Amino acid sequence: GNSVTQMEGPVTLSEEAFLTINCTYTATGYPSLFWYVQYPGEGLQLLLKATKADDKGSNKGFEATYRKETTSFHLEKGSVQVSDSAVYFCALSDNTGNQFYFGTGTSLTVIP
Amino acid sequence: GAVVSQHPSRVICKSGTSVKIECRSLDFQATTMFWYRQFPKQSLMLMATSNEGSKATYEQGVEKDKFLINHASLTLSTLTVTSAHPEDSSFYICSARPMAGELFFGEGSRLTVL
Repeated sequence: GNSVTQMEGPVTLSEEAFLTINCTYTATGYPSLFWYVQYPGEGLQLLLKATKADDKGSNKGFEATYRKETTSFHLEKGSVQVSDSAVYFCALSDNTGNQFYFGTGTSLTVIP
Repeated sequence: GAVVSQHPSRVICKSGTSVKIECRSLDFQATTMFWYRQFPKQSLMLMATSNEGSKATYEQGVEKDKFLINHASLTLSTLTVTSAHPEDSSFYICSARPMAGELFFGEGSRLTVL
């Protein structure tokens, strides 16, 4: 079946530090991979996505590369800001794009 | 871009009462909407898929008589938590997508049952 496993948090970083949040998946077929961000009190917002192997999704300084050989989609950012404090969810969708499977979320706190 | 809106964002009710949460797609038509439940510090769990004009499809373990879903139009789906109990307290999130488009999430509705 399909599932997503992501690094447990919480993660606390100083401003301008490098961020990596690990995400691995198991899936049948050819899933699309996503990172969503949830700011306090809000719903989820799409941060970036990749739809096929070796694709790199990027947005707001965040990047993630779809690695089929390691079944991974790790999220990275070179220099985090206080405003990046949020919960980050890795997710995959099946071939239809209707069924989404989410990781447990990783809480990030960036301190000045 | 496409927007999905939920209402209310927060609701507090007494045990035994029913609560209705609305999910609207504001600038696109959605034949399918999805309802999720999020427990504290946990991931989103898909509860059901709401289909316009037909019955919702519930995930295993979700009580359909407890969580009533109505998708009466192409822009509105409602989730009614019937005879709510404290264990139903949670964050409920809906999502919808335009035809073959990106999935958009509502802001979420936090339900607290006293």
